[in-house]
Amino acid sequence: KAGVTQTPRYLIKTRGQQVTLSCSPISGHRSVSWYQQTPGQGLQFLFEYFSETQRNKGNFPGRFSGRQFSNSRSEMNVSTLELGDSALYLCASSDRRTATENTEAFFGQGTRLTVV
Amino acid sequence: GNSVTQMEGPVTLSEEAFLTINCTYTATGYPSLFWYVQYPGEGLQLLLKATKADDKGSNKGFEATYRKETTSFHLEKGSVQVSDSAVYFCALSDMNSGYALNFGKGTSLLVTP
Repeated sequence: KAGVTQTPRYLIKTRGQQVTLSCSPISGHRSVSWYQQTPGQGLQFLFEYFSETQRNKGNFPGRFSGRQFSNSRSEMNVSTLELGDSALYLCASSDRRTATENTEAFFGQGTRLTVV
Repeated sequence: GNSVTQMEGPVTLSEEAFLTINCTYTATGYPSLFWYVQYPGEGLQLLLKATKADDKGSNKGFEATYRKETTSFHLEKGSVQVSDSAVYFCALSDMNSGYALNFGKGTSLLVTP
């Protein structure tokens, strides 16, 4: 079974631009979550999508958004990039179906975003 | 709110030494606890987990016991190998946070031959 696939692996953008990152979950997984990893703040939860709907959201500004498609693939978008958005963005998928289930999350290798 | 505190690194050990990485947590609910490992250039891999008090998670020689009375989930391994060099993250999730993972800052481990 293929794991979680994130594309691209590396990205360099300029301040003020926008960026879209992609995540393909493990086959059969309908829950996709996104995390931001920085040296200063560590790993922080961005949001979770399930069946094309945002089910949970972390404490990030509205410049960070996401969506999920009918095949469970997910994208996250960051608009008006700032230098502080430079980070490793990790996607995780799980077979969690209900909001009260707690199942294992499988992580992709991440997309390294550098904002210059 | 929920939080996880783990010991600062880096931790440097010789091969075959005993490893302990401390982790304590604060949670309003009844969390599940996890240890994840991140190898250089990689994403996170679940190392072990425990879902209720007194549970012991174990995998690849690593162990951690969910201690509710001390709100701790310390990671231990009896004999580390060079291949265990990585960053280790303690994390929790519970219903109050919609099961989003709440991570500690990570502890870097370097094992030397």
